[in-house]
Amino acid sequence: NAGVTQTPKFQVLKTGQSMTLQCAQDMNHEYMSWYRQDPGMGLRLIHYSVGAGITDQGEVPNGYNVSRSTTEDFPLRLLSAAPSQTSVYFCASSYSATGNTIYFGEGSWLTVV
Amino acid sequence: QKEVEQDPGPLSVPEGAIVSLNCTYSNSAFQYFMWYRQYSRKGPELLMYTYSSGNKEDGRFTAQVDKSSKYISLFIRDSQPSDSATYLCATYIQGAQKLVFGQGTRLTINP
Repeated sequence: NAGVTQTPKFQVLKTGQSMTLQCAQDMNHEYMSWYRQDPGMGLRLIHYSVGAGITDQGEVPNGYNVSRSTTEDFPLRLLSAAPSQTSVYFCASSYSATGNTIYFGEGSWLTVV
Repeated sequence: QKEVEQDPGPLSVPEGAIVSLNCTYSNSAFQYFMWYRQYSRKGPELLMYTYSSGNKEDGRFTAQVDKSSKYISLFIRDSQPSDSATYLCATYIQGAQKLVFGQGTRLTINP
């Protein structure tokens, strides 16, 4: 998945801790998004951004915060981790939101204990 | 009702078989339809992209959209063990700036 870099790949958090998942892309894409993937649920949109300085909520935004200060970076912050946030998180970027040019990162596996 | 429904499987077929993967969707306004392939512990990658109704073919893969029945399909001919992956259907909601995904179907091709 060239072009979209996510860190860390694996993380274990204690309930109540905060952390930031990093996402960076080098394709000069305006549209970036964060999804979570849970068994039997597919991919669900958390937050998205259509350009630097512009963010909006997706389907499951509660407990997460984002900012977009540059075109390249779109970090996802967990404010106070809960076991329900145990999931695999994917960052994605594209020229637009239509999906035909979207690129996903490799994923970040998060466990909250 | 979920906007996109997909049978999670798992689906297991012998090498060389024709595979049929299917999804249904609820909103007749959807126009863009995609199939993503996801290998274990990897991010999804775009496999097929179609607009509106009809068929689209790319090598061993054919994507089909039937808007009258709100049904989308992916066919894999001459299936190979390397096709073993989870396949996700998705559609684009214009104005909402987001993709909506099905649950994904786990496919295994047995040598």
